[in-house]
Amino acid sequence: DGGITQSPKYLFRKEGQNVTLSCEQNLNHDAMYWYRQDPGQGLRLIYYSQIVNDFQKGDIAEGYSVSREKKESFPLTVTSAQKNPTAFYLCASRRQGATNEKLFFGSGTQLSVL
Amino acid sequence: GESVGLHLPTLSVQEGDNSIINCAYSNSASDYFIWYKQESGKGPQFIIDIRSNMDKRQGQRVTVLLNKTVKHLPLQIAATQPGDSAVYFCAENLGIQGAQKLVFGQGTRLTINP
Repeated sequence: DGGITQSPKYLFRKEGQNVTLSCEQNLNHDAMYWYRQDPGQGLRLIYYSQIVNDFQKGDIAEGYSVSREKKESFPLTVTSAQKNPTAFYLCASRRQGATNEKLFFGSGTQLSVL
Repeated sequence: GESVGLHLPTLSVQEGDNSIINCAYSNSASDYFIWYKQESGKGPQFIIDIRSNMDKRQGQRVTVLLNKTVKHLPLQIAATQPGDSAVYFCAENLGIQGAQKLVFGQGTRLTINP
């Protein structure tokens, strides 16, 4: 059963703590993305990666870091530098190359601050 | 700027009626557009897409129109059902230095009244 798996579903962060959100896909997609969603707002791009061992900053990368050591995995770390981390985080992937390739999304991780 | 916007944040329709969710995009260079449906606490699901060389595309009960003159991308849902209640996002695809980047609008919450 192919798809994108995000874990955990809910995550709590203490002040000054770094937390890592997991994203795994078995769709053999080259490109992976992390979006942040705040209530009543659209999706904002944090980071994206088009190929293993390479990634680029999106529109709101400050306070976040990523790695892409494997094609299947694109973990997102929310660092203590991110002062307002409470949000719904969505991971997505798509095939690379053609223009009309849709994004496939995971089920999301809700991050809250204790 | 590179923003995708929606005219109405909320929309209510009676079950069985047709609905139209509007979307305005600002970048005339966008070459591909997608509509997503997002239910509460879940990731967005693909509904329908359209390329910039088309002016209309139909799916099951859904139709997307592309008016490049005024840069509008309305989504029509026919014979609405309770399961259509969700937030709907439009997104435009921008090709930036070889990377395909989707820019999302704010979203419209559609409520189907029984």
